[in-house]
Amino acid sequence: NAGVTQTPKFRVLKTGQSMTLLCAQDMNHEYMYWYRQDPGMGLRLIHYSVGEGTTAKGEVPDGYNVSRLKKQNFLLGLESAAPSQTSVYFCASSYSEFATNEKLFFGSGTQLSVL
Amino acid sequence: GQQLNQSPQSMFIQEGEDVSMNCTSSSIFNTWLWYKQDPGEGPVLLIALYKAGELTSNGRLTAQFGITRKDSFLNISASIPSDVGIYFCAGQQGGSEKLVFGKGTKLTVNP
Repeated sequence: NAGVTQTPKFRVLKTGQSMTLLCAQDMNHEYMYWYRQDPGMGLRLIHYSVGEGTTAKGEVPDGYNVSRLKKQNFLLGLESAAPSQTSVYFCASSYSEFATNEKLFFGSGTQLSVL
Repeated sequence: GQQLNQSPQSMFIQEGEDVSMNCTSSSIFNTWLWYKQDPGEGPVLLIALYKAGELTSNGRLTAQFGITRKDSFLNISASIPSDVGIYFCAGQQGGSEKLVFGKGTKLTVNP
């Protein structure tokens, strides 16, 4: 069972470079989310999607864009990376919104460093 | 946005000891969740609480939904080395509200 798969696992960027993080889930979940985790800050929601073709802003959306062209995939893009975007990024999915009655399934994370 | 105050930030304990951590807020929450994150992995749901006063166990873990609905507690009994990790509380105020996460409690268990 794959669950939620994130690629890549590690990436180093130079300031100003762009990149896309890919999240794929095989559970037919409607809802998908991107979080960032920083030391002492916990998990903060960047963007989320309530279904194919939809996206919405979370708590810290600036500097990021997302797309949900297919139900199983949720892409997180950084157009011009900044050192402040150095973080661990987690993708998650759920059957129902924010999954209080269902599990929120997380990927294993992407460690991104921006130099 | 809403804040969840999770304490302690970190704990260093000996194997076999019991552990207690808590999460508090100035606002009322309708749902409290506790997650565990193993090193290098994403968080995994441990316990979900839906009613004020509710006490729920999952093996050696017990969590409670505070009577005031502004706090929640997680206890781990007889800790073992595999309990190491970061424990997060999360809350939801209403059915359509976003989950809010605490900043985590990092647990280290010395054999």
